[in-house]
Amino acid sequence: DAGVIQSPRHEVTEMGQEVTLRCKPISGHNSLFWYRQTMMRGLELLIYFNNNVPIDDSGMPEDRFSAKMPNASFSTLKIQPSEPRDSAVYFCASSWDARVDTQYFGPGTRLTVL
Amino acid sequence: ILNVEQSPQSLHVQEGDSTNFTCSFPSSNFYALHWYRWETAKSPEALFVMTLNGDEKKKGRISATLNTKEGYSYLYIKGSQPEDSATYLCASTTSSSNTGKLIFGQGTTLQVKP
Repeated sequence: DAGVIQSPRHEVTEMGQEVTLRCKPISGHNSLFWYRQTMMRGLELLIYFNNNVPIDDSGMPEDRFSAKMPNASFSTLKIQPSEPRDSAVYFCASSWDARVDTQYFGPGTRLTVL
Repeated sequence: ILNVEQSPQSLHVQEGDSTNFTCSFPSSNFYALHWYRWETAKSPEALFVMTLNGDEKKKGRISATLNTKEGYSYLYIKGSQPEDSATYLCASTTSSSNTGKLIFGQGTTLQVKP
């Protein structure tokens, strides 16, 4: 398996633009997670899906952020409109059983909002 | 404690030294404790998942122990090598959450000098 795939790997955009990050989890995994890494807050969970259904979105910063998982093999994280403070590395991870199984992380998307 | 806490925040050792660091987590409703290794510019990589009190796991020169009653886990590295330089993250899940939400600590950053 190719592991968790994220695209793009790097994104530079201007404030106010819409940004869409993409994730393909490992085939057969039923849990998918979006994380954000910043210097100030470390690694924080944004949202978590189980069987394509959002279970916990309490980490989503505000209404500008939205995430979807239309099927078991694809998820998006959208920021509209983007702001400079959204600059961070965004990781997607997947696992079999979210509580006890290893989460496999993708390579991350480094987002820079100018 | 309400959060997952790791100590020390950073550690500098000489090649060949053995080292250990601590992860403290909420002991009530404990479900599982995860350890991850995170190299700079890469994504977190799973080391261990532990669930049972007294559990001890080993992977090469790295081992971990778990005390669920008092809420702590130790990670040991025997004979540190420069390639062990990374940030080591622990994260816990609880049974009460009924979800796979991992609560991450801030990490211990290890630098091994040749």
